Amino acid sequence: DAGITQSPRHKVTETGTPVTLRCHQTENHRYMYWYRQDPGHGLRLIHYSYGVKDTDKGEVSDGYSVSRSKTEDFLLTLESATSSQTSVYFCAITAGWGSNYGYTFGSGTRLTVV
Amino acid sequence: KNEVEQSPQNLTAQEGEFITINCSYSVGISALHWLQQHPGGGIVSLFMLSSGKKKHGRLIATINIQEKHSSLHITASHPRDSAVYICAVYLKKSSGDKLTFGTGTRLAVRP
Repeated sequence: DAGITQSPRHKVTETGTPVTLRCHQTENHRYMYWYRQDPGHGLRLIHYSYGVKDTDKGEVSDGYSVSRSKTEDFLLTLESATSSQTSVYFCAITAGWGSNYGYTFGSGTRLTVV
Repeated sequence: KNEVEQSPQNLTAQEGEFITINCSYSVGISALHWLQQHPGGGIVSLFMLSSGKKKHGRLIATINIQEKHSSLHITASHPRDSAVYICAVYLKKSSGDKLTFGTGTRLAVRP
């Protein structure tokens, strides 16, 4: 979607190295989310942000940290990548919280940890 | 048991067939999304609904709140409809609504 971009699209990294994924939006939406997608599981929430410098944990946050220094950027960091973090990562944005707001997703980042 | 179940997991159809994908959930919800994900691609929102029925082109989504069930129908299916279709529901929790995703239905439409 033109309003949200993720980078990089693909990355291969070695176990134990730090990795940062970037999500950039041009919609000025307040809420941003990081999800991971794995076979046999639905999308699972890692972290989300409800404003600049305001973030909270999702259901699978262990091993991940996030930062949001500007409205448009939401960074996901794997401090020390492990093979269990091999996944496809999706960023999403919403204008508000709850069921009245639609989601816009990025194109995903395929991360392989070897 | 998952809170959101989709069926079937995989579906193969011939071009032109009418297709139905189902989503059932275990507790009350505020709303439900149907999403589409093409191979190697991003995720696109098709519908968001909390009651009744919505239609967009050849796609129709229905929801039955009492039966805790939603269906996505595709009429006159086409190979370009081949994708994974994901149901996501806002489950009502005491801590607030929680968006929970199904594992998806992989659809292949043969020419």
